[in-house]
Amino acid sequence: GQNIDQPTEMTATEGAIVQINCTYQTSGFNGLFWYQQHAGEAPTFLSYNVLDGLEEKGRFSSFLSRSKGYSYLLLKELQMKDSASYLCAVSARRFDYKLSFGAGTTVTVRA
Amino acid sequence: DAGVIQSPRHEVTEMGQEVTLRCKPISGHDYLFWYRQTMMRGLELLIYFNNNVPIDDSGMPEDRFSAKMPNASFSTLKIQPSEPRDSAVYFCASSLEGTEAPIYGYTFGSGTRLTVV
Repeated sequence: GQNIDQPTEMTATEGAIVQINCTYQTSGFNGLFWYQQHAGEAPTFLSYNVLDGLEEKGRFSSFLSRSKGYSYLLLKELQMKDSASYLCAVSARRFDYKLSFGAGTTVTVRA
Repeated sequence: DAGVIQSPRHEVTEMGQEVTLRCKPISGHDYLFWYRQTMMRGLELLIYFNNNVPIDDSGMPEDRFSAKMPNASFSTLKIQPSEPRDSAVYFCASSLEGTEAPIYGYTFGSGTRLTVV
């Protein structure tokens, strides 16, 4: 089976930085994904990592360490609109397009 | 493109009734997924298709659930008979084929919120 762990909730102040950790124990590994989901809406794709290291996309960055089974999503210059749930997901096998999702981390940004 | 289109947005039905959820994926996408989301269990994959062929239905809870994809632009998820524990948000998603993984991510529809009373 797949085991993907994330903290349940995090709170941060507008303009600050928040780091959301994700650890995974899966039967295999073929990539890690981050999705953002606002309350009552569908998840939207943020990032994909398959090699170790940091991928930066504007205010959002995602890091992966395959040897440690660990990833984080870094949100910089937080804005109120960043209040949402952030879902970590893993693809376990090559050419297998299904993703296993973590339970999500709810981030609340306060003024 | 209008994105992934799901209908209905909300469905309230009585226990024992048949429920049919519908999905139109993004044109040109090769993969279609049905996920279910609840507070207790998070996002769970029910079934997915590649080029209209079911690839993995191991997440389908039981025989009461069935899914079809008769053509590249339409899929249905049917629950018969429905039970209160089926209450959840059901998402359809589609993805363009990348290389070894869905590197372009999934595009999710807006979901169907199903309530079985």
